[in-house]
Amino acid sequence: EPEVTQTPSHQVTQMGQEVILRCVPISNHLYFYWYRQILGQKVEFLVSFYNNEISEKSEIFDDQFSVERPDGSNFTLKIRSTKLEDSAMYFCASRTGWNYEQYFGPGTRLTVT
Amino acid sequence: GIQVEQSPPDLILQEGANSTLRCNFSDSVNNLQWFHQNPWGQLINLFYIPSGTKQNGRLSATTVATERYSLLYISSSQTTDSGVYFCAGRDAGNMLTFGGGTRLMVKP
Repeated sequence: EPEVTQTPSHQVTQMGQEVILRCVPISNHLYFYWYRQILGQKVEFLVSFYNNEISEKSEIFDDQFSVERPDGSNFTLKIRSTKLEDSAMYFCASRTGWNYEQYFGPGTRLTVT
Repeated sequence: GIQVEQSPPDLILQEGANSTLRCNFSDSVNNLQWFHQNPWGQLINLFYIPSGTKQNGRLSATTVATERYSLLYISSSQTTDSGVYFCAGRDAGNMLTFGGGTRLMVKP
């Protein structure tokens, strides 16, 4: 069964460094999402992406964040200058154009030291 | 946006027991999903259930959209059911809004 994949599974970075989190959505899906979950808290929406542009974003998704679909398969989240409070699990999700069910990847645990 | 409340926040069961988890929404939702977060942090899709009832093995879910709630039933619980259960709803926008989760522990 097709699934969303994410790499790396765990990334440790120093404050102020740039990180890129990678996702490969399910191949026939058209809508892509990033969510994050700070340890012990609820899952929060960051951004949605459709037709090569951002369709919605939350207040969390400020200028230090960006998303890109550099080719036909990858979907990336870049954090330009990481802060301690960016430490969280980051989930990628995708869905088709006709069904609203979102499928989540296994997550990337980001630790900022 | 919508607010999503889950209850109970914590639940401890003996193996073999049944349980009902509840999800309430502040406003109408256009779709509703239930997830299980396993000990490794992965979100596993359980149900996509905008309305009606679905069953998958020992799990079933019911959404009453007009009354703005959804229920997840776990029957004959097993230790592998332990983890956090999240519901998430979508209103008019494109994103899912998650509840705070129900942390379930099933004891042998």
